[in-house]
Amino acid sequence: ETGVTQTPRHLVMGMTNKKSLKCEQHLGHNAMYWYKQSAKKPLELMFVYNFKEQTENNSVPSRFSPECPNSSHLFLHLHTLQPEDSALYLCASSQDRTSGSDTQYFGPGTRLTVL
Amino acid sequence: GEDVEQSLFLSVREGDSSVINCTYTDSSSTYLYWYKQEPGAGLQLLTYIFSNMDMKQDQRLTVLLNKKDKHLSLRIADTQTGDSAIYFCAERSPDEKLTFGTGTRLTIIP
Repeated sequence: ETGVTQTPRHLVMGMTNKKSLKCEQHLGHNAMYWYKQSAKKPLELMFVYNFKEQTENNSVPSRFSPECPNSSHLFLHLHTLQPEDSALYLCASSQDRTSGSDTQYFGPGTRLTVL
Repeated sequence: GEDVEQSLFLSVREGDSSVINCTYTDSSSTYLYWYKQEPGAGLQLLTYIFSNMDMKQDQRLTVLLNKKDKHLSLRIADTQTGDSAIYFCAERSPDEKLTFGTGTRLTIIP
C-alpha cells in the first residue's frame, strides 16, 4: 500500500460528460501532483500543488481543471474531453516540493477512457 | 531540455540477474530514482540515489551511477516472477522537476 489512494480506478466517459478524479494521501505530505501516462510515452507532469497552492501547470488544456482544497486531497475535474485524453492518470504526493531530498509516492491511477 | 532514455524491453531467465539501464542528459541532476509499475497499478518507488554517490545496495537491488557518462543502472539479483513489471528511471533536476524515462518492460522467462 502506498498511502496514496485514487478513485475511481476506471472511468469511461463521453466527450460531453463532466467527471472528477479524486486523490487522497494519508502520508502527511504537503505537495501533490497529477501526471498523465499514455502508451509508449514518458510520464507527463500536468499540475503541481505545494501547500495547497498551484505551483505548476505544464500547458495543460483548460478541459482539465485541478482543485486542491487541502494538503490531503486533490481533484482533477474533466469536461468536454477528447479521445486522445484517454490515459492512466496518476496522482503523487511528496513531503515538500522544495526540499532537497523530496521523493514522490504514487497512487494506483485512474484508467480513463474517452469515447 | 532534460531527456531520459531506456530500452523498452528486457527478458531474463528466472534466477538470473536483471540489469536495466538508463541514460540521462541533465548533468545537474540531484537525485535519480527507480520506480516499478505492475499491471494495473501506479508507480512504486523502489530506490533512489543521490547524485554524488556511485552505488547503492538494498537487498536484491543494486543501483550504479556513472555520473561522467550520465548512466544509471538497476541490477536485480536472483530475478523472480514477481519482478515482472515496467521499470522507470527518473531524474530530478535542481528546480525539483522529475523527468521519467519511457520505462523498460521486464519479462521473466521460467
